[in-house]
Amino acid sequence: EAEVAQSPRYKITEKSQAVAFWCDPISGHATLYWYRQILGQGPELLVQFQDESVVDDSQLPKDRFSAERLKGVDSTLKIQPAELGDSAMYLCASSFLPGLAGGRETQYFGPGTRLLVL
Amino acid sequence: GQQVMQIPQYQHVQEGEDFTTYCNSSTTLSNIQWYKQRPGGHPVFLIQLVKSGEVKKQKRLTFQFGEAKKNSSLHITATQTTDVGTYFCAGPRSSGSRLTFGEGTQLTVNP
Repeated sequence: EAEVAQSPRYKITEKSQAVAFWCDPISGHATLYWYRQILGQGPELLVQFQDESVVDDSQLPKDRFSAERLKGVDSTLKIQPAELGDSAMYLCASSFLPGLAGGRETQYFGPGTRLLVL
Repeated sequence: GQQVMQIPQYQHVQEGEDFTTYCNSSTTLSNIQWYKQRPGGHPVFLIQLVKSGEVKKQKRLTFQFGEAKKNSSLHITATQTTDVGTYFCAGPRSSGSRLTFGEGTQLTVNP
């Protein structure tokens, strides 16, 4: 069964350092999402791509976070500089239906990258 | 903005007991989705409800969507240790497609 791939699975970094996470969605899925999940809370959307275009980044802290999906397939999420409050699980998800289908698309989540900022 | 609230936050049951989690939205939802996240795992899609008053069943799990499409529930009959995890509901924001997740209900099942 096809899965969303993410790497690394775990990352420990010091504050003010730069970190990057990678995601490879399920083949054929045009929509890609990056979520942040703080322990004990639900996932919070950071950015949503439709192919290579950003369709929603309203919750992305753009002063330190950036995301790209240059060829409309895999994606990278970067944090620079990392802060203590960035410690969380970063989840990538993808969906087959266009992301504007009234939120009816089923999202398939990857295993996530657990980030710890010291 | 739209909020999706879930109660309870935690639920501890003995194996064999029933379990219910409730999801409430401040606005009408076009649909609602339910996800399960095992400890240390990632959210996995369970089901989507679209119609007012809709009821769907998956083995021991029963999902309901309220008549006003502002609330939903997940009921598990005769819980098993494999049901352990956090159950999230998620609904699209009124302005578009972005899903808003509830805080989740963490279920613990004692054998």
